[in-house]
Amino acid sequence: GDSVTQMEGPVTLSEEAFLTINCTYTATGYPSLFWYVQYPGEGLQLLLKATKADDKGSNKGFEATYRKETTSFHLEKGSVQVSDSAVYFCALTPTGGGNKLTFGTGTQLKVEL
Amino acid sequence: DTAVSQTPKYLVTQMGNDKSIKCEQNLGHDTMYWYKQDSKKFLKIMFSYNNKELIINETVPNRFSPKSPDKAHLNLHINSLELGDSAVYFCASSQGLGTVSPLHFGNGTRLTVT
Repeated sequence: GDSVTQMEGPVTLSEEAFLTINCTYTATGYPSLFWYVQYPGEGLQLLLKATKADDKGSNKGFEATYRKETTSFHLEKGSVQVSDSAVYFCALTPTGGGNKLTFGTGTQLKVEL
Repeated sequence: DTAVSQTPKYLVTQMGNDKSIKCEQNLGHDTMYWYKQDSKKFLKIMFSYNNKELIINETVPNRFSPKSPDKAHLNLHINSLELGDSAVYFCASSQGLGTVSPLHFGNGTRLTVT
């Protein structure tokens, strides 16, 4: 079945550091890929998405590029802020939609001053 | 004007009890979901309804019974609660099937079974 693998956390960075959170997936066909973010005490929010190979999703300074050849969707940000501290989830839905999201295990990010 | 709202936010109960969690969305979405998040933050889908019809029913004990009285509501009833049911339960909604639309999540219900 479909699966998503993320790097384990927590990831601890200083403010203004560069962020990469790795995500790879296993799925047939051409799934749609997502990053969701969960702030403490809240539900998940969509951060960005990409629906086909080579698409780049971006939002709030975060970016991720859908790489079919490496089955990856790594999340990057050039300069993190303390307010970016949260848990980040990579996820996919199968080819054709259906909205059955398969999530990775989440990566906790802590940004310190 | 919360988009997806769940009640209660916290639920503490004893083993063997029966409890319900309610969810409502005001986004006009057709599809609603229940997800379970365990203590390690792992999220797994439990159920999904589209226009009040059950479309996803993962391997969940039959002590868990979802009910959708209309497409804006999806409630979760749990019978004979067990310690292992302790988790955070998230309700979510999205536009109809066959489209790639993001899920909108509620803020979760933290269930603690003692």
